[in-house]
Amino acid sequence: SQTIHQWPATLVQPVGSPLSLECTVEGTSNPNLYWYRQAAGRGLQLLFYSVGIGQISSEVPQNLSASRPQDRQFILSSKKLLLSDSGFYLCAWSVLRGTYEQYFGPGTRLTVT
Amino acid sequence: AQTVTQSQPEMSVQEAETVTLSCTYDTSENNYYLFWYKQPPSRQMILVIRQEAYKQQNATENRFSVNFQKAAKSFSLKISDSQLGDTAMYFCAFKAAGGTSYGKLTFGQGTILTVHP
Repeated sequence: SQTIHQWPATLVQPVGSPLSLECTVEGTSNPNLYWYRQAAGRGLQLLFYSVGIGQISSEVPQNLSASRPQDRQFILSSKKLLLSDSGFYLCAWSVLRGTYEQYFGPGTRLTVT
Repeated sequence: AQTVTQSQPEMSVQEAETVTLSCTYDTSENNYYLFWYKQPPSRQMILVIRQEAYKQQNATENRFSVNFQKAAKSFSLKISDSQLGDTAMYFCAFKAAGGTSYGKLTFGQGTILTVHP
């Protein structure tokens, strides 16, 4: 069966510090991968998606970047965090065909102070 | 572009009763998929149910069922015999069929459901 991991679970970082959030998927090959942000416990905002190694598409211009160095690894980064980067970050994967439902990781709660 | 609207920010229901959450969407696509996700206090997003637009039969998963009205672009979720563990935020989501959307989902803003004992 497939599983998706995210770490860290919780992170408190000062403004201006760098960020690296990691997501890995097990039990599947060549998945689509997604990063979402959820602010204030409401809707999900798609930040990045990837259909393959090194292939990243950005949905919203911002202070963040993403990379996919391996097939089942997706990294969200920032060189300098802003207060507005605080939120709950979710990674998800989906298969390439079929109903495309997405399966989510447990999330990372980021607080920028 | 597609939009998904959940008009009920919050709902509440008594344990063992039935509740219906509303969702409408706007699209020019003919083939698509619809989903309901549940996000309990742990914040783990869990897929509850899916519906393929080309299927007329409404999807059912145990106590969860949908009322899919394609012409009206409506996709409501009915939870029967509500349990305390159903307390969560529920998101409706849309996915266009076809290869160009890369599996991207469009989410509604969510409905917070509270089940009271």
